[in-house]
Amino acid sequence: GESVGLHLPTLSVQEGDNSIINCAYSNSASDYFIWYKQESGKGPQFIIDIRSNMDKRQGQRVTVLLNKTVKHLSLQIAATQPGDSAVYFCAENTGFQKLVFGTGTRLLVSP
Amino acid sequence: GAVVSQHPSRVICKSGTSVKIECRSLDFQATTMFWYRQFPKQSLMLMATSNEGSKATYEQGVEKDKFLINHASLTLSTLTVTSAHPEDSSFYICSAPRQGATEAFFGQGTRLTVV
Repeated sequence: GESVGLHLPTLSVQEGDNSIINCAYSNSASDYFIWYKQESGKGPQFIIDIRSNMDKRQGQRVTVLLNKTVKHLSLQIAATQPGDSAVYFCAENTGFQKLVFGTGTRLLVSP
Repeated sequence: GAVVSQHPSRVICKSGTSVKIECRSLDFQATTMFWYRQFPKQSLMLMATSNEGSKATYEQGVEKDKFLINHASLTLSTLTVTSAHPEDSSFYICSAPRQGATEAFFGQGTRLTVV
């Protein structure tokens, strides 16, 4: 069936490094994607989103890139901080905010 | 501040009992809410779509008689896990779309432990 998946289950970086988290999706008709951050025991927290008519969108310290040709998106976090340690999910909006989530990547930031 | 509130945040119950989880939109009306389940170290999986004033729509493989959903008002949806078993232990999360907003708003989640 349709799915959104991630390549790396765990990413370990040093504080100050840039982090890149990847996600592959399978539904070529998808037109809206979101990245969420989830800390232990909490609900997902919105980070940034992108529509399919864009290939890049920047926020504060975060950038999302979308490559529709290969159905791939990534989340880049600049100057990663220990507070960025969490699990990150990409999600595909299948209609009116009904979301299909990727498998998730745990980001570990060492001081 | 939170715009979607979920209660309780954690609950422990005995096998065979039922547990009710509430999801409230705090400052907006939500005709639709979504219920997700997340097992440890796994992703969120959509269980059902809660529709105000009509029956919920369940995803494939989710037992509607076990996971009862009631959307009695425009600000409240409830999920009742009936005859809970240890394998129902999970993190249950709701979300509510808000008109005019592109992002979904999530509750804080409910950690259910069935012993």
